[in-house]
Amino acid sequence: EVQLQQSGPELQRPGASVKLSCKASGYTFTEYYMYWVKQRPKQGLELIGRIDPEDGSTDYVEKFKNKATLTADTSSNTAYMQLSSLTSEDTATYFCARAYSIYILEIWFAYWGQGTLVTVSS
Amino acid sequence: DIQMTQSPASLSASLGETVTIECRASEDIYNGLAWYQQKPGKSPQLLIYNANSLHTGVPSRFSGSGSGTQYSLKINSLQSEDVASYFCQQYYDYPYTFGAGTKLELK
Repeated sequence: EVQLQQSGPELQRPGASVKLSCKASGYTFTEYYMYWVKQRPKQGLELIGRIDPEDGSTDYVEKFKNKATLTADTSSNTAYMQLSSLTSEDTATYFCARAYSIYILEIWFAYWGQGTLVTVSS
Repeated sequence: DIQMTQSPASLSASLGETVTIECRASEDIYNGLAWYQQKPGKSPQLLIYNANSLHTGVPSRFSGSGSGTQYSLKINSLQSEDVASYFCQQYYDYPYTFGAGTKLELK
């Protein structure tokens, strides 16, 4: 069974950085991209980017290029996302997600983590 | 990036009713569209993929249709457990983009 277990809620001050984790199990970690999605309170979903755990290559959505840094540790099957220079605009729930398959026409998000709430407040 | 325009933003319906949610893409996405259901405090759950294929375990009262730039999600015989937000997502072209969501409530 595919599972994505995310780290717990975070309360951070403006200007700080935070690193979120997403531990994968039930499949071969290096075979699938890991995606990260942002959801602001009572708002829609925004893709942040993706990482290929096999080689660490990343693709960021333009607006998140200077905000998020995606990494992956294949020894622990864990993907990470670091958010820097936090502001109130970064207050959101962040999800990791995995596509259904590795094939380009089957990239719907079949598996989601439970989400990590990041609150930025002074 | 492909823009996804979803409507309506909110919807109020009675138990047993049929509801339809629409999603329009800014260009042809060749049926590369998924629908998700999200309940408060939970992660999104896949309902439909490839515009019209029902994900395993999803009740048959949910159905998807459409092609080109226009897609829709239909819920037949609305049940109380269907109260949730619904999002469309195109995965035809990266970056994959979502509609703004539809909040479905009971009348």
